[in-house]
Amino acid sequence: EAQVTQNPRYLITVTGKKLTVTCSQNMNHEYMSWYRQDPGLGLRQIYYSMNVEVTDKGDVPEGYKVSRKEKRNFPLILESPSPNQTSLYFCASSLYREGLYEQYFGPGTRLTVT
Amino acid sequence: GQQVMQIPQYQHVQEGEDFTTYCNSSTTLSNIQWYKQRPGGHPVFLIQLVKSGEVKKQKRLTFQFGEAKKNSSLHITATQTTDVGTYFCAGLRDYKLSFGAGTTVTVRA
Repeated sequence: EAQVTQNPRYLITVTGKKLTVTCSQNMNHEYMSWYRQDPGLGLRQIYYSMNVEVTDKGDVPEGYKVSRKEKRNFPLILESPSPNQTSLYFCASSLYREGLYEQYFGPGTRLTVT
Repeated sequence: GQQVMQIPQYQHVQEGEDFTTYCNSSTTLSNIQWYKQRPGGHPVFLIQLVKSGEVKKQKRLTFQFGEAKKNSSLHITATQTTDVGTYFCAGLRDYKLSFGAGTTVTVRA
């Protein structure tokens, strides 16, 4: 089954404690992306990756890091989480062939930073 | 940076009525995508528009891309309870995808 998986689905942590949210896709997609969703603001792109070892900032990259060492995985790293990073996070992947195709979203990770 | 504005933020619709949600970008877009998110779920792709002036239909849903490739609309006819959710537009420019804030639709039976 074609899917995007994220772990964990729910996480409560404290300020300053490093954490990683994993994302994996089994569709051999080139393009992967992380979004955060906050009420009234829609989905805002944090980072995206066009392929292995190619990553770039989205609209709200501050406080986040990513890596793309393998095509299927795109982890999101919060080195020192702060309460304003409490949000619902989505990972997504899609084909990229001279243009972006439909994005497949993971189930989401609800993060609370106290 | 690129901004995509979407209105209205909320749409309360009587079952059977029509409604439209609008999306406007501050810059010209390569393409625009539409997604639907049910309460508690993740966004699900509906359609992509690429050409200037393009119109596509999916049953009761009609999607339009403006001539200048800066705006788009989604029109739903004969709204049903299954249409409940939040509809997002997303504009692509320079490999970055910017989402509108979404239109949350509720339906009165």
